[in-house]
Amino acid sequence: SQELEQSPQSLIVQEGKNLTINCTSSKTLYGLYWYKQKYGEGLIFLMMLQKGGEEKSHEKITAKLDEKKQQSSLHITASQPSHAGIYLCGADMRNTPLVFGKGTRLSVIA
Amino acid sequence: NAGVMQNPRHLVRRRGQEARLRCSPMKGHSHVYWYRQLPEEGLKFMVYLQKENIIDESGMPKERFSAEFPKEGPSILRIQQVVRGDSAAYFCASSPGVVSVTEAFFGQGTRLTVV
Repeated sequence: SQELEQSPQSLIVQEGKNLTINCTSSKTLYGLYWYKQKYGEGLIFLMMLQKGGEEKSHEKITAKLDEKKQQSSLHITASQPSHAGIYLCGADMRNTPLVFGKGTRLSVIA
Repeated sequence: NAGVMQNPRHLVRRRGQEARLRCSPMKGHSHVYWYRQLPEEGLKFMVYLQKENIIDESGMPKERFSAEFPKEGPSILRIQQVVRGDSAAYFCASSPGVVSVTEAFFGQGTRLTVV
């Protein structure tokens, strides 16, 4: 069974619109990582969250980790074509190598 | 400080041949992780190594796959007698310590195609 569920699997938004991607775990998370992957390329680190209720922002991207540390959301404000790609959440289930969700494929259309 | 370097970026092998994938971690990083990404799938953990030691290989197929991280040189993921199902993108990540306290930096990946 998949330990990390990401939703939606794919997303098409119009440029300028806001969007949210969710990542849900069946277990308590000790760390939650968000990465972005351009099609056919490697992973780019976005943010790491470790504390319940923690929220971090970088430019137009905000990530939150809920108080129970089982769910995280990634919110993009005023999306741009440069935001297109695959967003992956990775979880530290306690001193284990990161476990990843299947990813959310984001397309931004003009 | 160069990032995680993987080579080759693309590798084509015929069924039955051997594939060798190399990963040079970032300078100062002694922890290396290998992941496999199948088409339309997320990253699946394969193996976690520190210098000269395999720490966790719970994600490695029992046969044909092996990994090493020698004292000198890059980490190597070796796939013997490749089959079509081995076609995937293989990513390497490195970190200076245990990943729960620090981020893992990923390489660009090696895309293996078995024909």
